[in-house]
Amino acid sequence: QKEVEQNSGPLSVPEGAIASLNCTYSDRGSQSFFWYRQYSGKSPELIMFIYSNGDKEDGRFTAQLNKASQYVSLLIRDSQPSDSATYLCAVTLNRDDKIIFGKGTRLHILP
Amino acid sequence: KAGVTQTPRYLIKTRGQQVTLSCSPISGHRSVSWYQQTPGQGLQFLFEYFSETQRNKGNFPGRFSGRQFSNSRSEMNVSTLELGDSALYLCASAFGGGDDRAFFGQGTRLTVV
Repeated sequence: QKEVEQNSGPLSVPEGAIASLNCTYSDRGSQSFFWYRQYSGKSPELIMFIYSNGDKEDGRFTAQLNKASQYVSLLIRDSQPSDSATYLCAVTLNRDDKIIFGKGTRLHILP
Repeated sequence: KAGVTQTPRYLIKTRGQQVTLSCSPISGHRSVSWYQQTPGQGLQFLFEYFSETQRNKGNFPGRFSGRQFSNSRSEMNVSTLELGDSALYLCASAFGGGDDRAFFGQGTRLTVV
């Protein structure tokens, strides 16, 4: 089982709608969870981080964490064409604190 | 506050050569991690340094090595380059000490011919 799994997409969402991105992880003891956005040809940019179960909101972004089910999600409200990018889920493994990334989900916002 | 700086941005090397990449972390950050990114494999963890000590290592051959200096700057070295080493190499810095939010540099694009 891969340590961090994401659907590769592409996920197509109409402009103005909610984009929902999901991620599952295998290390039950993981403590830190991150979402990065990566535009084509650019490096990943940290957009959200969450440490506790529940929701964390920042502007149009909401990160959701459910440790019992070992999944973390990212919601993007009022999606804009500029949100079109690859979104990477990352998890700090409990056993050695290194950050492991999923392969990313390509998101395409349709104008 | 300056971000993470990686040099050089682009490199073209021949098979069998070696290469050294450099990373200057955000001021005050003591943790530096290196990743290899390829279209097929995504972001793969190479190693992490904290206060000049390698704390973690990924599943890469011994041709990949690194080090960190007392000012937290880090270098990564790849010896005996292979065509498959062509990738984007990314460095990320974090404060450490419980704050593990990692911030990436712009990367070094290595092409092996």
